[in-house]
Amino acid sequence: AQSVTQLDSQVPVFEEAPVELRCNYSSSVSVYLFWYVQYPNQGLQLLLKYLSGSTLVESINGFEAEFNKSQTSFHLRKPSVHISDTAEYFCAVRGAGGTSYGKLTFGQGTILTVHP
Amino acid sequence: GAVVSQHPSRVICKSGTSVKIECRSLDFQATTMFWYRQFPKQSLMLMATSNEGSKATYEQGVEKDKFLINHASLTLSTLTVTSAHPEDSSFYICSAQKPGGVYGNQPQHFGDGTRLSIL
Repeated sequence: AQSVTQLDSQVPVFEEAPVELRCNYSSSVSVYLFWYVQYPNQGLQLLLKYLSGSTLVESINGFEAEFNKSQTSFHLRKPSVHISDTAEYFCAVRGAGGTSYGKLTFGQGTILTVHP
Repeated sequence: GAVVSQHPSRVICKSGTSVKIECRSLDFQATTMFWYRQFPKQSLMLMATSNEGSKATYEQGVEKDKFLINHASLTLSTLTVTSAHPEDSSFYICSAQKPGGVYGNQPQHFGDGTRLSIL
């Protein structure tokens, strides 16, 4: 079995401030890790993913996340946020084997609100 | 790209009606599609995994006879909510996965969701 915990349900920040959205997971098998973003009344868009290799992964719009195996974390960061980053962010894990193979499990979501 | 189209985007209908939602992968063939349900201010809950040409695999607690899934082609999966009731009102989202590579490491690409409201 696998689970994902996003520690903050809401994160308000001011524009151009740094932000970190926290994500911890548990799994009995190796996992692949994902961050998705959801804008109101829309589906999810893949923001970035960790499959293997370098533990630091980056998106095209300035977000980055670091896979920390010892802490079972995959926190999402951005050094300077914009108003347009306001959205809900979901951390997700997918098992690489065992009974969780292929299944995507989502965290509860974190609503990021960027204020001017 | 990897575009997934979901239709309709919004449905409002009377209790007892059956509603069909379509999920199409527009620029790739998807051997596997997934159906999720999202309640207000909650995360996505996987309902079922749909494989082309075979029966869907439902998650525990999801009624197979209530939520009929058909994946007749590599680009289309449908979810039919049969005899819908107000408690079935929710946001339904599909996703599609590209074939190839190791199954688990292909990202899922999501449709824009369908807001279902049963009166």
